Amino acid sequence: DQQVKQNSPSLSVQEGRISILNCDYTNSMFDYFLWYKKYPAEGPTFLISISSIKDKNEDGRFTVFLNKSAKHLSLHIVPSQPGDSAVYFCAAKGGGSNYKLTFGKGTLLTVNP
Amino acid sequence: DAGVTQSPTHLIKTRGQHVTLRCSPISGHKSVSWYQQVLGQGPQFIFQYYEKEERGRGNFPDRFSARQFPNYSSELNVNALLLGDSALYLCASSFSSRQNNQPQHFGDGTRLSIL
Repeated sequence: DQQVKQNSPSLSVQEGRISILNCDYTNSMFDYFLWYKKYPAEGPTFLISISSIKDKNEDGRFTVFLNKSAKHLSLHIVPSQPGDSAVYFCAAKGGGSNYKLTFGKGTLLTVNP
Repeated sequence: DAGVTQSPTHLIKTRGQHVTLRCSPISGHKSVSWYQQVLGQGPQFIFQYYEKEERGRGNFPDRFSARQFPNYSSELNVNALLLGDSALYLCASSFSSRQNNQPQHFGDGTRLSIL
């Protein structure tokens, strides 16, 4: 049972435009959400996180939005840069476990020059 | 500061063998978690250790075991290797096991191939 879902395997955007990556979850007990970026041959790199008590968190070009009623979060990257091209993973913590991260399958973002 | 370091980076084994993977957390981090990532999937949780004690275990068989040492480094052991154990094994560290919603920081992983 996939508790964290990233329904878009890939996304392609033009440099300078906004990239929006989406993530849905099913476990209402999740209370902390994270986004990671992964380049080939490297481990996931932490990007940004949000607690369930908030609905928005910003860090530079990256903003994460959380809609608890819809069990949906999104990552906005503005403006997108070619170096942002990577696989992005959504992850969640909680739901009866305070240590385990549950990941989605990832979305491959390609930013075209 | 050094990030999470894992060794070896690549490993080739045959079915039935055993393997030991190693991880050194970020300095000051006391919690280490292990994940398995197969192609096309997100990382799957295997274990978490905090202060040398197992705090969590994912849905993996008993062939998988781990431990954490007094310096907070960790080993993941897999016995009786199967072809399906071929994957990227990731180690992540964080300062504490659950407080303050702190992110886990990952190493670059060990790529394990079973022939």
